[in-house]
Amino acid sequence: NAGVTQTPKFQVLKTGQSMTLQCAQDMNHNSMYWYRQDPGMGLRLIYYSASEGTTDKGEVPNGYNVSRLNKREFSLRLESAAPSQTSVYFCASSEDVFLNIQYFGAGTRLSVL
Amino acid sequence: DAKTTQPPSMDCAEGRAANLPCNHSTISGNEYVYWYRQIHSQGPQYIIHGLKNNETNEMASLIITEDRKSSTLILPHATLRDTAVYYCIVRVTGTASKLTFGTGTRLQVTL
Repeated sequence: NAGVTQTPKFQVLKTGQSMTLQCAQDMNHNSMYWYRQDPGMGLRLIYYSASEGTTDKGEVPNGYNVSRLNKREFSLRLESAAPSQTSVYFCASSEDVFLNIQYFGAGTRLSVL
Repeated sequence: DAKTTQPPSMDCAEGRAANLPCNHSTISGNEYVYWYRQIHSQGPQYIIHGLKNNETNEMASLIITEDRKSSTLILPHATLRDTAVYYCIVRVTGTASKLTFGTGTRLQVTL
């Protein structure tokens, strides 16, 4: 039982390049989330998907798009990467919206040069 | 969601109990208290949650005062692997929304 799996673990991009961060969970959870964490700061929500087929913006959605591919997978796309998007990205999932206990992946460390 | 206040750092000797306090004086009746931790460079890890009763699981115990204005997370026998930043989060249930991680308490467990 892997929990929440994120790929890749590390990535270096040049400004203007695009990429997709992948996230998959095997816990049959309904809700999934993407956060970013900058050095010395707390996590900020980028986008979330309360249930399969729905997505909503979080605090910092600009420059990102998401796709809830199916119940298991929730991807985050950077269409034109900028140095300000250098960060650690965490994906999380939760079983339900009542308690919303979120389980996190190990993170993707992204550097944009 | 209610605001929380935690000490920025604490030390604990290995094998001793670590008691991490959290103040949430503006908590409302339908808000739960959650604790997470983040070990360096890893994703946050859920520890425990509670509404008004004390709770215990395999990781920790959560003590909530009768007026619910504060709580304490207890790690009964801290180990070096418990060195992490611990976050106390208060939030209303029923919505798929963000977790607001404040600055937390950096717990250093030493030999």
